[in-house]
Amino acid sequence: QVQLVESGGGVVQPGRSLRLSCAASGFIFGDYGMHWVRQSPGQGLEWVAVMSSDETNKNYADSVKGRFTISRDNSKNTLYLHMNSLRPEDTALYYCAKDSWDWNGRFDYWGQGTLVTVSS
Amino acid sequence: DIQLTQSPSSLSASIGDRVTITCRASHDTSNSLAWFQQKPGKAPKSLIYAASSLRTGVPSRFRGGGSGTDFTLTISGLQPEDFATYYCQQYNSYPLTFGGGTKVEIK
Repeated sequence: QVQLVESGGGVVQPGRSLRLSCAASGFIFGDYGMHWVRQSPGQGLEWVAVMSSDETNKNYADSVKGRFTISRDNSKNTLYLHMNSLRPEDTALYYCAKDSWDWNGRFDYWGQGTLVTVSS
Repeated sequence: DIQLTQSPSSLSASIGDRVTITCRASHDTSNSLAWFQQKPGKAPKSLIYAASSLRTGVPSRFRGGGSGTDFTLTISGLQPEDFATYYCQQYNSYPLTFGGGTKVEIK
């Protein structure tokens, strides 16, 4: 069965960096686009970034463009989110989500999330 | 960007009730509209895609409808496990966007 397991969250000071990972199993990772979606405490869902299956296409929400970088290692079945210049408003539970195809934007599986808290 | 407006933001209902949640898009989404259910402390779960296609394994009491800019999620015969927050999401264009959510509570 499809499993997505996020890790790397924690408490970080404003302006610092953090790297999140998402380990995937139960499907052919290199055949699908992958996303990051976040949810601030008690709030709704916000899409963050996508990377296509072959790594050639990426897209970002305006709120993170220029600060966050999505990447993947298909040989390790792992998705990453490199977060720089973190702000308090980046505090959220970060989910990785599998696309139903390449990067058409329809999510079919989600991980359980990893919590990032940006605070001094 | 396509904005999605859900209504109501919350509702109270009883077991067995039929409830309808509305999602209105600021632009035509070409029916690239999905619905998710989220319970406290859990990841969202996919219910409906392409506006009205039921995800495998989702009970038939969940029904999606609508087209263009106006969509609905109807739950017929509310069950105890259906009390949750529901989100719509468009995947017609990037950036992907979600509605603000509708919390379904027990009356």
